[in-house]
Amino acid sequence: SQQGEEDPQALSIQEGENATMNCSYKTSINNLQWYRQNSGRGLVHLILIRSNEREKHSGRLRVTLDTSKKSSSLLITASRAADTASYFCATDPPNSGGSNYKLTFGKGTLLTVNP
Amino acid sequence: DTAVSQTPKYLVTQMGNDKSIKCEQNLGHDTMYWYKQDSKKFLKIMFSYNNKELIINETVPNRFSPKSPDKAHLNLHINSLELGDSAVYFCASSLWGLAGTDTQYFGPGTRLTVL
Repeated sequence: SQQGEEDPQALSIQEGENATMNCSYKTSINNLQWYRQNSGRGLVHLILIRSNEREKHSGRLRVTLDTSKKSSSLLITASRAADTASYFCATDPPNSGGSNYKLTFGKGTLLTVNP
Repeated sequence: DTAVSQTPKYLVTQMGNDKSIKCEQNLGHDTMYWYKQDSKKFLKIMFSYNNKELIINETVPNRFSPKSPDKAHLNLHINSLELGDSAVYFCASSLWGLAGTDTQYFGPGTRLTVL
């Protein structure tokens, strides 16, 4: 069954603005990852946050994790037209380890950054 | 210097046919995956292989048969294609595939259209 749900489904902003996307999940997790998918391409890993971390930064990306609310947010600051893509969160539940390891992806948020 | 490559990129075929998709990674990773992404962008894992051994086999019809001749290659053969098989199929790899901190590297995808 689907684990992550991104919100909103679609987001349209102007270049230079910040974009915030949210991900909610149902079961406990070990880690949460964010991926980006440009149109017609494969997914690209952006950032990983562990369940014992609350915030992580990478360049213009800021990820937060609230395990009590089972939610994460991805903030892209000073957005650019090149940030236009779909963004997915992916989780691996605690029972997904060793030979059972797998990631469960949400449906994604489509971000459009207008020049 | 493509890390994860798939062929073909596009595949258009008639119902009932048998087709194969090939995947190769040059990252030296131990684990490879097949995902299916439907028209609503939902990405679902189908199979994973670790060092040529089948690890994950989700509830996928028997018509789908993965084959891993070595740890750098994972092919997907589909028998008796059905309309519902139309989707984008992604191959991915990760270093170990057995730990939650593993990030996955995706191929560019194969868009399969069954007529």
